Amino acid sequence: QSVLTQPPSVSGAPGQTVTISCTGSNSNIGAGHDVNWYQQVPGSVPKVVIYDNTNRPSGVPDRFSGSKSATSASLVITGLQAEDGADYYCHSFDIGLSGVIFGGGTRVTVL
Amino acid sequence: QVQLVQSGAEVKKPGASVKVSCKGSGYRFSNYAVQWVRQAPGQGLEWMGWIYPANGNTIYSRNLQGRVAITRDNSANTVFLEMSGLKFEDTAVYYCARKHVSRTYLDSWGPGTLVTVSS
Repeated sequence: QSVLTQPPSVSGAPGQTVTISCTGSNSNIGAGHDVNWYQQVPGSVPKVVIYDNTNRPSGVPDRFSGSKSATSASLVITGLQAEDGADYYCHSFDIGLSGVIFGGGTRVTVL
Repeated sequence: QVQLVQSGAEVKKPGASVKVSCKGSGYRFSNYAVQWVRQAPGQGLEWMGWIYPANGNTIYSRNLQGRVAITRDNSANTVFLEMSGLKFEDTAVYYCARKHVSRTYLDSWGPGTLVTVSS
């Protein structure tokens, strides 16, 4: 059981908007630790799509956006495209565990 | 360009130890923390620990503490992950990843090393 809770799966048709939640606690997200999001296409290495809650690395399409509030964070994909089908993981730090934590992952299916 | 090259796949028996290497190139090796993350077949990402090559300081996941050791050889720009007392459930792809110099995210990943624990 992950300290950061994500829905196992979300789906949407091309062009739709999907939101992936990442629910933590006062020992991680709520303690002010930043959240990063990674995309992992099956068989490939993870790649960051959002860092420090809301920032997009160069080369990541602007249809990816992130937000953070209290003890949760969200990744939003607006205008879903076929190539967005992948697993997505949130990532932060937990002061109680004194270590890095990942969410359990969410599989995005493009219908 | 930044590159992390990992050692090849390993097959080990239960109770054995394994040592995986991760060689960095294209950047000042000692300035960037390196983290190890593993992924069991069909499962999610699990953080294992990190090392700051400049001073050798390490932090380990409490779940694995006592079985994992991360070391470095700065002269070879290489970080090592050693895991002892291997169990069947340690079968996974082991990734090394570089932490961004000033932010918290992992900005470059190795290709992964498959470690299979089998009798």
